[in-house]
Amino acid sequence: KQEVTQIPAALSVPEGENLVLNCSFTDSAIYNLQWFRQDPGKGLTSLLLIQSSQREQTSGRLNASLDKSSGRSTLYIAASQPGDSATYLCAVGGSYIPTFGRGTSLIVHP
Amino acid sequence: DTGVSQDPRHKITKRGQNVTFRCDPISEHNRLYWYRQTLGQGPEFLTYFQNEAQLEKSRLLSNRFSAERPKGSFSTLEIQRTEQGDSAMYLCASSQGRMGTEAFFGQGTRLTVV
Repeated sequence: KQEVTQIPAALSVPEGENLVLNCSFTDSAIYNLQWFRQDPGKGLTSLLLIQSSQREQTSGRLNASLDKSSGRSTLYIAASQPGDSATYLCAVGGSYIPTFGRGTSLIVHP
Repeated sequence: DTGVSQDPRHKITKRGQNVTFRCDPISEHNRLYWYRQTLGQGPEFLTYFQNEAQLEKSRLLSNRFSAERPKGSFSTLEIQRTEQGDSAMYLCASSQGRMGTEAFFGQGTRLTVV
């Protein structure tokens, strides 16, 4: 059974810092890995999708990397802003069904 | 089409009542998922449809839960005889095509059982 772990569980940083969120998974036989953002009480917004054959994806200030063999992905957020405050979830697609971690709760304070 | 739509957004019900939620996926998406999320946790898989066929159900989906996707378009999730432990956010997602395609989520239905 796929287990997905996200570290840290919570993070509080001052505005402008570059930061890294980590996601690890136990079964490296995956098709993709997707990073999501979730605001309090809201649904999930897709940020980046990395296929298993890819090493990284970039969108604006976000960069996600994937090392399938070691079972790890990182989400790098450059020049963080208060509007980045949210919970960030990674989901691993081992079949048709994504498996989620518990998320990293991020607060960026002015 | 602006994305996955869920209705209602919020539902408060008394323990023992039945509730039904609806999900309208992105129109060309053939796969539809239901997840449940409690406070501080990641979404947990409940069930999955490919077109109208329900292909997988989690052990979390007790016999009080039933889901349908009658014409391979919208889906409903019904909870019978609700319990306080059913209080959660119920999320619907859809995707299209082969394995590894992007999943898109709705805004969720927040259920509170009192």
